[in-house]
Amino acid sequence: ELKVEQNPLFLSMQEGKNYTIYCNYSTTSDRLYWYRQDPGKSLESLFVLLSNGAVKQEGRLMASLDTKARLSTLHITAAVHDLSATYFCAVDSQGAQKLVFGQGTRLTINP
Amino acid sequence: DTAVSQTPKYLVTQMGNDKSIKCEQNLGHDTMYWYKQDSKKFLKIMFSYNNKELIINETVPNRFSPKSPDKAHLNLHINSLELGDSAVYFCASSRTSGGIDTQYFGPGTRLTVL
Repeated sequence: ELKVEQNPLFLSMQEGKNYTIYCNYSTTSDRLYWYRQDPGKSLESLFVLLSNGAVKQEGRLMASLDTKARLSTLHITAAVHDLSATYFCAVDSQGAQKLVFGQGTRLTINP
Repeated sequence: DTAVSQTPKYLVTQMGNDKSIKCEQNLGHDTMYWYKQDSKKFLKIMFSYNNKELIINETVPNRFSPKSPDKAHLNLHINSLELGDSAVYFCASSRTSGGIDTQYFGPGTRLTVL
């Protein structure tokens, strides 16, 4: 059974700093998603990573996928307060036709 | 234009009652889902439908019954509500593209059972 683990689960950082959120998964998959959720809001799709070595960037966020290590990272560069949210990775459970979500990383960026 | 919509947004009810949540998507997607997000923010799939056919039925009490009258709608009916049913329920949809395409989520329905 596919398991998806994120770390850290909570992250408090200062504006202007860089940090990385990690997403590990337990079985083979070549499709991984990152979502953002603001408090009391829905989930917003950020990135879709479809192959080994895939890298996507949008503003201060960059996501990458290493299917051999079963690892994805979400890197935050020069954080700003507006990036405060909970970030989820989700992995395609191949054959099971469903996404399995990580626990979420609650990111707080302090001015 | 709302892509995935849910009603109601908030639902407060007593234990033992029966309630329904409705979901509609105007994206032309073939697949729709129900997720439950608990108080710790953990998100877990409950059901998925593809072209009105049930594809995924996770280990969910049979008090929960989804119904898809057409491709654009997926409703969730809950019988005999229990305290543990309190959560946020999200509807989502995606295209069918030989795998799982990006899922687009509705605004959520916050269910509180008293």
